[in-house]
Amino acid sequence: GQNIDQPTEMTATEGAIVQINCTYQTSGFNGLFWYQQHAGEAPTFLSYNVLDGLEEKGRFSSFLSRSKGYSYLLLKELQMKDSASYLCAVRDSNYQLIWGAGTKLIIKP
Amino acid sequence: TAGITQAPTSQILAAGRSMTLRCTQDMRHNAMYWYRQDLGLGLRLIHYSNTAGTTGKGEVPDGYSVSRANTDDFPLTLASAVPSQTSVYFCASSDSIGSSDTQYFGPGTRLTVL
Repeated sequence: GQNIDQPTEMTATEGAIVQINCTYQTSGFNGLFWYQQHAGEAPTFLSYNVLDGLEEKGRFSSFLSRSKGYSYLLLKELQMKDSASYLCAVRDSNYQLIWGAGTKLIIKP
Repeated sequence: TAGITQAPTSQILAAGRSMTLRCTQDMRHNAMYWYRQDLGLGLRLIHYSNTAGTTGKGEVPDGYSVSRANTDDFPLTLASAVPSQTSVYFCASSDSIGSSDTQYFGPGTRLTVL
């Protein structure tokens, strides 16, 4: 079966750095996405990785290792508004997105 | 630009009744999707449409039907609702189904079936 694993919940301090991990086992791989979802709202796109390595976009970076079936989302200089769930999704061989359950990130002052 | 709109925002429905969730996008995207989101689970694909006039089944299609008469609209119908269909439903769209194509989500419909 297909599986995406993420920690259920993480806590971090305002101004700090946090890394959210995602491991996957899917039938085929055609890219990995990270989305942010604030409570009661729709998911919004953060990043996309298809090749190994680090993609940096402002305070957010995303890393991919296809051989290890592993990705992480790195959030720097955390702000209170970063409190949200972060969803990892992999596009499989059928070009469908397989979603993890999401990691709820709690930011404390 | 409105992006994707969904209606209604929320609904309480008696078991056995039918209901249509509406979804409209103004981005001229070819592909559209319906997901359900339940606590502790990832988004699960119900049905999708790669282009107007075509539809396909996702991971959890039973009890749901869709149509794609034109590019902009992608309604989801529950023919006879059951309590297990209580969920938050998200409609999404993407320009195509290529590897890098980002899906954009509507605000969601919160459905409770009693």
